[in-house]
Amino acid sequence: KNEVEQSPQNLTAQEGEFITINCSYSVGISALHWLQQHPGGGIVSLFMLSSGKKKHGRLIATINIQEKHSSLHITASHPRDSAVYICAVSYPSFNQFYFGTGTSLTVIP
Amino acid sequence: EPEVTQTPSHQVTQMGQEVILRCVPISNHLYFYWYRQILGQKVEFLVSFYNNEISEKSEIFDDQFSVERPDGSNFTLKIRSTKLEDSAMYFCASSQDRGETQYFGPGTRLLVL
Repeated sequence: KNEVEQSPQNLTAQEGEFITINCSYSVGISALHWLQQHPGGGIVSLFMLSSGKKKHGRLIATINIQEKHSSLHITASHPRDSAVYICAVSYPSFNQFYFGTGTSLTVIP
Repeated sequence: EPEVTQTPSHQVTQMGQEVILRCVPISNHLYFYWYRQILGQKVEFLVSFYNNEISEKSEIFDDQFSVERPDGSNFTLKIRSTKLEDSAMYFCASSQDRGETQYFGPGTRLLVL
């Protein structure tokens, strides 16, 4: 079974803190995706990674293919970063995403 | 910026009734998807659609579900006879190519009473 695990499940941080969310998966993938789900439910794609590292503003995503692990970092966190962050993977043979359970982030002013 | 749209945003229906959830994918995208998220649970894949036919479906996507692209812009999910356990948020997504970034609609929250 294609398992995608995230940690932590819940995270509370003070504004300005550096945040790390982790994702691990069980079998080889074609790409890993980080998504943000807003409190209202909408889902926004943040990154698609197949190797290395990507940066967009205060968000950085890394992936280690050998260790089957990815991290999402948020620098200088802000209350507007409060959301659920979801890791999802895609495989060469299957045209769908397999989702993790998400990490609920709350950033306190 | 182009976006995926979904209607309605909320739907309440009686058990056993048919519902149709509508989506307008991004216009130059070729792959379309439906996902669902039961309250408090993770997002689950239902079906993918390409070239006017289903390309993959999950075990959740049984005979009560169907998808259609009735014209050049809409992509619909029909649930023939709704059950209480169909209550969930349903997301439509589209991508330009297989395996590429998927763009999600805002979702339709379905409540079956």
